[in-house]
Amino acid sequence: AQTVTQSQPEMSVQEAETVTLSCTYDTSESNYYLFWYKQPPSRQMILVIRQEAYKQQNATENRFSVNFQKAAKSFSLKISDSQLGDTAMYFCAFAVNTGGFKTIFGAGTRLFVKA
Amino acid sequence: DTEVTQTPKHLVMGMTNKKSLKCEQHMGHRAMYWYKQKAKKPPELMFVYSYEKLSINESVPSRFSPECPNSSLLNLHLHALQPEDSALYLCASSQAGGLADEQYFGPGTRLTVT
Repeated sequence: AQTVTQSQPEMSVQEAETVTLSCTYDTSESNYYLFWYKQPPSRQMILVIRQEAYKQQNATENRFSVNFQKAAKSFSLKISDSQLGDTAMYFCAFAVNTGGFKTIFGAGTRLFVKA
Repeated sequence: DTEVTQTPKHLVMGMTNKKSLKCEQHMGHRAMYWYKQKAKKPPELMFVYSYEKLSINESVPSRFSPECPNSSLLNLHLHALQPEDSALYLCASSQAGGLADEQYFGPGTRLTVT
């Protein structure tokens, strides 16, 4: 079975500080992609960052970076210089081919950025 | 245009009604998805269409019937729903439905079944 676990239901961070959201996953597949999606309040879900399982180098997108530990099946998201607009629900997800490409989402972490 | 649109935004229907949700994208994407999202929960995959063919059905009850008339449109036909089907229904699209593809999500249709 493929599972994604986000153990932090809610987090808060002060504006301009750094926060790390954790994610672990379980799969027996060797080829997969990992994603972090952001769902702001009452707004559409958007991709934050993605990581190919075969790549050792951690992905970065501006203030967002990941710490991908394949052996530990861990995929955490670091947000640097947090901004008020980062307040959102963050979903860790992975895509795998199980007779069709499907994306499995974790339960989410609600992040509040405080002024 | 990087937008996925969904209509209606809100829908209230009785258990004996028949209604449809619509989703449209003009990004040339060849994969489209329906998800169900309950409050404070992650999206749950329902259906995937790849090149206008149904490629994944996650054992969804037959009261939900998807349709992909062309590569830009995705419908979800609803019939004889139950109150527990009340949720936010999200449509998404991606370039080709591959592992690496970013999914572009619509704003959702908030469905209430009375």
